[in-house]
Amino acid sequence: GAVVSQHPSRVICKSGTSVKIECRSLDFQATTMFWYRQFPKKSLMLMATSNEGSKATYEQGVEKDKFLINHASLTLSTLTVTSAHPEDSSFYICSLLGSTDTQYFGPGTRLTVL
Amino acid sequence: GQNIDQPTEMTATEGAIVQINCTYQTSGFNGLFWYQQHAGEAPTFLSYNVLDGLEEKGRFSSFLSRSKGYSYLLLKELQMKDSASYLCAVRASGGSYIPTFGRGTSLIVHP
Repeated sequence: GAVVSQHPSRVICKSGTSVKIECRSLDFQATTMFWYRQFPKKSLMLMATSNEGSKATYEQGVEKDKFLINHASLTLSTLTVTSAHPEDSSFYICSLLGSTDTQYFGPGTRLTVL
Repeated sequence: GQNIDQPTEMTATEGAIVQINCTYQTSGFNGLFWYQQHAGEAPTFLSYNVLDGLEEKGRFSSFLSRSKGYSYLLLKELQMKDSASYLCAVRASGGSYIPTFGRGTSLIVHP
C-alpha cells in the first residue's frame, strides 16, 4: 500500500492565525488527495478533494476561502486553515487512493486553536 | 444520499469473538470498506467487500449482503490491542469514488 505522511502531527495556535498542514505521498504519485476532518467520537467528514495542478473540489458547507488547498506536485498537498477559530480545533487527516482504489490515510494532524 | 448505521460502542472479553454490524442505505452500491482506527491515529484499512459473502483475513472476517444492505466485521481471538474504533464506509455507484464513513463502533476489549 501507499505510505502517507503528515506534518505537523499536532499544532496549537492562537485564534486568528493561519496554520498549514502538509500531506506527502512517500511512494506513490497521487494526482488526487483527500482532506478529512474528524471531531471527537464523530465520523470522518470529507472536506475536499485535492487535484494536482488544478483547483480543489470542496464538499458542501466547507468554506474554500477558509480552508485553502494547494496540490502543487504529485506527492504534496497542503491544507491551510486561515484565521483559525476554536471551533476549527479538530483532527485533520489526508488520504490518497492506491492502485486498487483503497484509501491510504496519513497519520493525522491534531489542531488546537486557543 | 447515504445512511450508514453501526453501534456506537461494544465491549468484549480478551480471547472471545465479536461481531460488529453495519447497515446502510445508498443510491447504488460500489463497495464497502472496514477500517480500524486507534485513538488519535488515522484509520487503517481492514477489508473491502463488493460481492456478497464472507472475506476472511486472519483473525478478521467481513461479510456483505447487498440485498439486505448489511455487513459485519467479525473479530476472533480478541486481543487487548484490538480495542479501537471500527469504521464502516460505503461507496455509492455512479458518482464519487470516495466512500462515506459511518460514525464508527468503539470496541473495548477487557481482560
